[in-house]
Amino acid sequence: EPEVTQTPSHQVTQMGQEVILRCVPISNHLYFYWYRQILGQKVEFLVSFYNNEISEKSEIFDDQFSVERPDGSNFTLKIRSTKLEDSAMYFCASSETPGANSPLHFGNGTRLTVT
Amino acid sequence: GQQLNQSPQSMFIQEGEDVSMNCTSSSIFNTWLWYKQEPGEGPVLLIALYKAGELTSNGRLTAQFGITRKDSFLNISASIPSDVGIYFCNTGKLIFGQGTTLQVKP
Repeated sequence: EPEVTQTPSHQVTQMGQEVILRCVPISNHLYFYWYRQILGQKVEFLVSFYNNEISEKSEIFDDQFSVERPDGSNFTLKIRSTKLEDSAMYFCASSETPGANSPLHFGNGTRLTVT
Repeated sequence: GQQLNQSPQSMFIQEGEDVSMNCTSSSIFNTWLWYKQEPGEGPVLLIALYKAGELTSNGRLTAQFGITRKDSFLNISASIPSDVGIYFCNTGKLIFGQGTTLQVKP
């Protein structure tokens, strides 16, 4: 079964550094998402992306964050200047359509640790 | 903003017991989905509900879309150790419940 893949599985970075988290969505999916999960807490929506532009973003997704689809397969999340509170699991997901009846397919996440 | 209130927050049960958890909101939704997250992995869809009053089963799992469209519940019958994980309700792409952590004692 096709799956969403994320790299790296774990990223450690120093405060103030830039990080890029990478995702390869399922190939026939057109809608892409990033979510964040702080340890022990719920999954929080960051951003959705379609047709090479952001379609929706949450208040968490401030100017420090950006997303890009640099080629036909990758979807990246960049954090420009990391803060301690950015430490979390970051999940990429994709879906066939944006509607609620098109379930999300999640990757296994990247654990980001900011020191 | 919209919020999903999920309960209980955690459950520690004996293998073989039945489990029930629910999700409520003050808002009306047209879709309720239940995901399970195992340690070190992303959430995986268990059951999707698209119609008020709908009752859907997936093996030992049964979920219902509340008639008011403001709630949903998930039942697991005859729990087994591999049911361990965090169960999240979701109403589409943006909003997840806080999760119910299930631990099963063999």
